[in-house]
Amino acid sequence: AQSVTQLDSQVPVFEEAPVELRCNYSSSVSVYLFWYVQYPNQGLQLLLKYLSGSTLVESINGFEAEFNKSQTSFHLRKPSVHISDTAEYFCAVSDPLSARQLTFGSGTQLTVLP
Amino acid sequence: DTEVTQTPKHLVMGMTNKKSLKCEQHMGHRAMYWYKQKAKKPPELMFVYSYEKLSINESVPSRFSPECPNSSLLNLHLHALQPEDSALYLCASSPKARAEQYFGPGTRLTVT
Repeated sequence: AQSVTQLDSQVPVFEEAPVELRCNYSSSVSVYLFWYVQYPNQGLQLLLKYLSGSTLVESINGFEAEFNKSQTSFHLRKPSVHISDTAEYFCAVSDPLSARQLTFGSGTQLTVLP
Repeated sequence: DTEVTQTPKHLVMGMTNKKSLKCEQHMGHRAMYWYKQKAKKPPELMFVYSYEKLSINESVPSRFSPECPNSSLLNLHLHALQPEDSALYLCASSPKARAEQYFGPGTRLTVT
């Protein structure tokens, strides 16, 4: 069985400051890793994915995440946040051996303060 | 284009009503999903369709009935729901099983 832990349920940060949202997973096999973002009253948008290859993946809006196999982590980072980044962020893993397709973390509410 | 559409956007129904939620994608994806999401919680998987066949039912009550008429459409038929079924219902699709999923905007369901 696999699980995903997002240690921080809420992260407040000032505008233009850097931010890191933490995600750790447990799985006995290789996994695919994802970050999704959910703005208020909207569906989930795929932000980043790691399937294979380079351990550092980047999104078009300045977020990046690094897959660390030894620490079983996939932390999300942004060097300078904007007010518009305020949203709920979900980390998710897909285990090739799991029938459940995606396992989500509990989510982190990022609030960017002016 | 990575768009999944869902209708209606909002739905209010009584406990004796019958209604349906609709989901559509034109990306050629062969896996489609229904999720239920409560406020401040991650989505909970309800059903998975793979190649238009139901492959996973996560022990969902029979008052929820999924249907996949073709490879682009996914319906969720609702009957005799309870107030605790009020939630955001999300549809998603993926090019293949266990790949990345693309979500629709959701239907906000309120059961009165």
